Amino acid sequence: KQEVTQIPAALSVPEGENLVLNCSFTDSAIYNLQWFRQDPGKGLTSLLLIQSSQREQTSGRLNASLDKSSGRSTLYIAASQPGDSATYLCAVRVTGGGNKLTFGTGTQLKVEL
Amino acid sequence: DAMVIQNPRYQVTQFGKPVTLSCSQTLNHNVMYWYQQKSSQAPKLLFHYYDKDFNNEADTPDNFQSRRPNTSFCFLDIRSPGLGDAAMYLCATSLYGTQSGANVLTFGAGSRLTVL
Repeated sequence: KQEVTQIPAALSVPEGENLVLNCSFTDSAIYNLQWFRQDPGKGLTSLLLIQSSQREQTSGRLNASLDKSSGRSTLYIAASQPGDSATYLCAVRVTGGGNKLTFGTGTQLKVEL
Repeated sequence: DAMVIQNPRYQVTQFGKPVTLSCSQTLNHNVMYWYQQKSSQAPKLLFHYYDKDFNNEADTPDNFQSRRPNTSFCFLDIRSPGLGDAAMYLCATSLYGTQSGANVLTFGAGSRLTVL
């Protein structure tokens, strides 16, 4: 059974800092991995999707990496801004698992002025 | 320009009183999902449709049912809500396949259910 863990559960940084969020998964037979952002009381917004054959994906100030063999992914946020404050969740789709995503519990990020 | 729309955004019901949550999409995606998210927890998949093919998760309570009358709409029915069913219910869609953009989930804003 796939388990996804995100550490730390919460993180507070000053504006302008570069930061890394971590995601680990127990079953390396994944089809893809997605990073999402969730604002309080809202739905999820997809940030980046990395296919199993890829090592990283970039969108603006965000860069996500994937190391399947070690069961890890990181989300790098450059030059953080207060508007980046949200909960960041990663989710994996297991090979042969159909359309099911297994989510981590997220990292709650606060970027302070 | 919301592409996945959930109604209502907030639903208050009494213990045991049936509830229906709706989800509509303008993306023409062939896969639709219902997730349950309790406070500070990961979203948990309840079921999903691949076209009209219904897929129920093994641990989804019998209390929860779903209907997808057409490509655009999907409903979540909770027959007899208990206190433990209070949660945010998230609808999502995706395009199944290998083309660019496939398998990326698009979520609605969610329906928050309170059970009194």
